[in-house]
Amino acid sequence: KQEVTQIPAALSVPEGENLVLNCSFTDSAIYNLQWFRQDPGKGLTSLLLIQSSQREQTSGRLNASLDKSSGRSTLYIAASQPGDSATYLCAVRSITSGSARQLTFGSGTQLTVLP
Amino acid sequence: DTEVTQTPKHLVMGMTNKKSLKCEQHMGHRAMYWYKQKAKKPPELMFVYSYEKLSINESVPSRFSPECPNSSLLNLHLHALQPEDSALYLCASSQETSGPYEQYFGPGTRLTVT
Repeated sequence: KQEVTQIPAALSVPEGENLVLNCSFTDSAIYNLQWFRQDPGKGLTSLLLIQSSQREQTSGRLNASLDKSSGRSTLYIAASQPGDSATYLCAVRSITSGSARQLTFGSGTQLTVLP
Repeated sequence: DTEVTQTPKHLVMGMTNKKSLKCEQHMGHRAMYWYKQKAKKPPELMFVYSYEKLSINESVPSRFSPECPNSSLLNLHLHALQPEDSALYLCASSQETSGPYEQYFGPGTRLTVT
């Protein structure tokens, strides 16, 4: 059964810092990995999708990497801003059959960027 | 258009009420999903529809009844809910249920059961 872990659970940084959020998963048989942002009480906003054949994806100040063999992904946020404050969730889409094929979410990292 | 819409945004209902949540997408996706999310927890999968047929029910109580009237629309009918069912209900869609497809999420319905 796929398990996804995100470390740290919470992170507080001053504005302008570069930061890294970590995600690890136990079963490397995945189609892809998605990083989401969630503001309090709101839905999920997809930030980046990395297919299993890819090593990284970039969007603006965000860069996500994937090392499928070691079961790890990182989300790098450059020059953080207070508007980046949110919970960041990673989710993997497994290849194995049944409901395990669906997205398995980590518990999220709650990021606070202090002005 | 990569948008999944959900109505209503907020819903307050008593334990004896019957209400419905609606979800719509016009991306031609054939897989649609309902998730439940409690505060400070990740989303939990409830139901999966593939080509308008229920393919996964994650042992959800029968007071939650999903319906997929057509390929663009997904409903969740609610009846005799309990206060612990209060949560954010998220709808999502993807091109297919299996394969390297991205899931697109709606903004959610915040449900409060009194």
